Amino acid sequence: EVQLVESGGGLVQPGRSLRLSCTVSGFTFGDYALSWFRQAPGEGLEWVGFIRTQAYGETTEYAASVKGRFTISRDDSKSIAYLQMNSLKTEDTAVYYCSRQEYYYDSSCYRYWGQGTLVTVSS
Amino acid sequence: QSVLTQPPSVSAAPGQKVTISCSGSSSNIWNNYVSWYQQLPGTAPKLLIYENNKRPSGIPDRFSGSQSGTSATLGITGLQTGDEADYYCGTWDSSLSAWVFGGGTKLTVL
Repeated sequence: EVQLVESGGGLVQPGRSLRLSCTVSGFTFGDYALSWFRQAPGEGLEWVGFIRTQAYGETTEYAASVKGRFTISRDDSKSIAYLQMNSLKTEDTAVYYCSRQEYYYDSSCYRYWGQGTLVTVSS
Repeated sequence: QSVLTQPPSVSAAPGQKVTISCSGSSSNIWNNYVSWYQQLPGTAPKLLIYENNKRPSGIPDRFSGSQSGTSATLGITGLQTGDEADYYCGTWDSSLSAWVFGGGTKLTVL
């Protein structure tokens, strides 16, 4: 069974850092790209960024709203992806989801999602 | 302001049909596959349609998708109260090098 589990969320002050983890099981993690998404309270879905597979150089893409502040990495040996969030702002408050990109192309869909982890940025 | 445009809300009676539109541009819907997601309150999104018109296993054929030019449409027939949810379209934008969503459409089954 494919599973993705986010962890690491919590309350953090503006300007501080936080690292989220996405632990996967039930499939060969190294074969899939992985995206992070977020959803602010009462708002719609927003893509944060993704990391491609080792075969594609583990290259990353980010939303303009987080570029330069957030970094996505992966450890295929541990089946974990990370979202390092620096210089956090109050507008980064959201539930963060990780999701597996189903196919190799960038417009591929997302079938499997984690349950989400809440990040609250507040003083 | 979302890159893809969806109506904020739609409604219909049980058993009826509804369509949800998703309008984009040449850099996203025109050249890339669209997928649709259903999100019930407090839960993660669920994939309904991928590659414009394909249904994952387990998704009933009441749900359908289409794409034409720079627009895509989700259709739901035989509406049930359990279909009440938020629906999002999404795709890759080649100019932005970013995945983009519509703002979401709230479906009410009256």
